Formats: sequence, C-alpha cells, structure tokens
Amino acid sequence: AQSVTQPDIHITVSEGASLELRCNYSYGATPYLFWYVQSPGQGLQLLLKYFSGDTLVQGIKGFEAEFKRSQSSFNLRKPSVHWSDAAEYFCAVGDYNTDKLIFGTGTRLQVFP
Amino acid sequence: DAGVIQSPRHEVTEMGQEVTLRCKPISGHNSLFWYRQTMMRGLELLIYFNNNVPIDDSGMPEDRFSAKMPNASFSTLKIQPSEPRDSAVYFCASSRGTSEAFFGQGTRLTVV
Repeated sequence: AQSVTQPDIHITVSEGASLELRCNYSYGATPYLFWYVQSPGQGLQLLLKYFSGDTLVQGIKGFEAEFKRSQSSFNLRKPSVHWSDAAEYFCAVGDYNTDKLIFGTGTRLQVFP
Repeated sequence: DAGVIQSPRHEVTEMGQEVTLRCKPISGHNSLFWYRQTMMRGLELLIYFNNNVPIDDSGMPEDRFSAKMPNASFSTLKIQPSEPRDSAVYFCASSRGTSEAFFGQGTRLTVV
C-alpha cells in the first residue's frame, strides 16, 4: 500500500527566502506524485505533478519539485517565497493500478514580511 | 465545466441526526474520492469509486458512514447517526485515470 510522509508540520520563512518542503513516499513501483496547495477555507489546487520522464518538474506560481527514486522523495522548492504563498501544502502519491490517491498530512507555510 | 460541485457548503446538525453530503464530479471523470480533513488527522481518504463502483472503503471510520455512487454524475456520503467527533471538512474529488484529482470546495460539517 502506498503512503506519504511530510515530516514538517509547520515551516516559517521570510519573504524572499528560498523554500523546500519535504515529501517521502512509500510505494512498490514507480509512483505518480503530486503537490497541492490549500488556502484557508478553500479546496486543494494542483501545483505540479510527476508521472514519468524528467525528474525535475515545473509547476505553477514558480514552484518546482524533484523526484528522487533513490531517496523515495519528491521535495517541493521555490527560490524566492512571496507572502501570498502562505498556505498549506500537501504531497500525494497515486497508484497506477487502482488510481487510489493518498495524501500526506500537510505542511503549513507561514511567510513573514 | 463547473468543476467538482459539493453541497451543502456548510452544515450544522445536532448529534444523532442523519447528515447527507453530495457531490457532482467533473463530467468524464471515472474516479471519485471522498476525503475528510481535520486538524488532528489531516486529509484522510474515506472511500473512492472507480466507474461508480466502490474500490476501497477501508478509510470509512465506522458503520455510521456510508457512501453511494448511483451514477457517474452523483455521489453521496451519509453519516447516521452523526456525532460531534464527525465535525470536519469533507472534500469530494474526481479524476480521470491517473490524471490529477480536482477538488470541490468542501462541506464544513459541525455536529453539536
């Protein structure tokens, strides 16, 4: 069964600083992976996805993520954070055979001016 | 397409009452997911359907919870009887195959 771990519950950064949010997955084969963002009171919005091919994927709002099979990781990065990036971020792993989609517990990002 | 539509957006009910949450997935999507979000447990997968058939309901907390998908354009999640610990935001999401899942705005349930 697949699972996702987001080790950081809460991260605080200053505006303009770089950001990396960690995600580790457990899955028996090559997974497909997502990062979603949730603003307060809203549903989840897709930032980016990885299915195959290039292990560095670009997403919306200047985010990118790198799939590292050897580390079972799919960390999200942004070189310079904006105050509007404050939100909760979820990593998710999908199962190719069943389409089951499992989410991590999320990382809450706080941005200081 | 209007996206995934959930109703109601907010529901306040008394303990012991039956609650029904509704979801209309995006047309053409063949997978539908029900998630529950709480501060303590994060985003939990309750049940998901593929081609209207329940595939995995291992996340359903107990027998008080049930879900149906009578056709490709409608699903319900029912809680009977409801309890205060069921208070949460319930999300419905749909996808087509292994593509990204699109989420509804959620239903905020409060059981008093």
